Amino acid sequence: KAGVTQTPRYLIKTRGQQVTLSCSPISGHRSVSWYQQTPGQGLQFLFEYFSETQRNKGNFPGRFSGRQFSNSRSEMNVSTLELGDSALYLCASSLWATNSPLHFGNGTRLTVT
Amino acid sequence: KNEVEQSPQNLTAQEGEFITINCSYSVGISALHWLQQHPGGGIVSLFMLSSGKKKHGRLIATINIQEKHSSLHITASHPRDSAVYICAVRGVTSNTGKLIFGQGTTLQVKP
Repeated sequence: KAGVTQTPRYLIKTRGQQVTLSCSPISGHRSVSWYQQTPGQGLQFLFEYFSETQRNKGNFPGRFSGRQFSNSRSEMNVSTLELGDSALYLCASSLWATNSPLHFGNGTRLTVT
Repeated sequence: KNEVEQSPQNLTAQEGEFITINCSYSVGISALHWLQQHPGGGIVSLFMLSSGKKKHGRLIATINIQEKHSSLHITASHPRDSAVYICAVRGVTSNTGKLIFGQGTTLQVKP
């Protein structure tokens, strides 16, 4: 089976712009979750989707949003980018919404200048 | 105080040594995950635990729900085990079901 695919791998944006990141889960997985990783804050949970419904949301401003499509693919969007949004954004897929092993993608490295 | 605390933060070992990384948490959980991240690499899920003990090769993970504590053990450590090990817990309800991460333990195994 193909693993979790995140696109693009690298992205450079300017402050004030918006960005959309994509995540394709492992075939058959219905849950997708998103995480931000920075050197200062470590890994932080952004949001989680199961069958197109957002189940949980982390403590991030409303500029961070996401959605999941009927084929389980997910996108996350960050509007009005700030320098502090520079981070590695990771998504993970799992079979079920809770208590299933997580399979991570390689991440999208976002740099905001 | 963080809801998930790992110790130690940094660990250096000689090849062949037995290694223990600890994770303590303060919230009720439905599951605990141990993750591995190599420098510049992606994250690999090592274990998901809700009780007891699991073993994969040289890795062993244990959890004590009453004491809110988990340990990750590496037997006969090898330089390729050098990585950051991260503990993450999932809350018990759908409203608290987000993953909460520890700060990670950076392990270096010297040949």
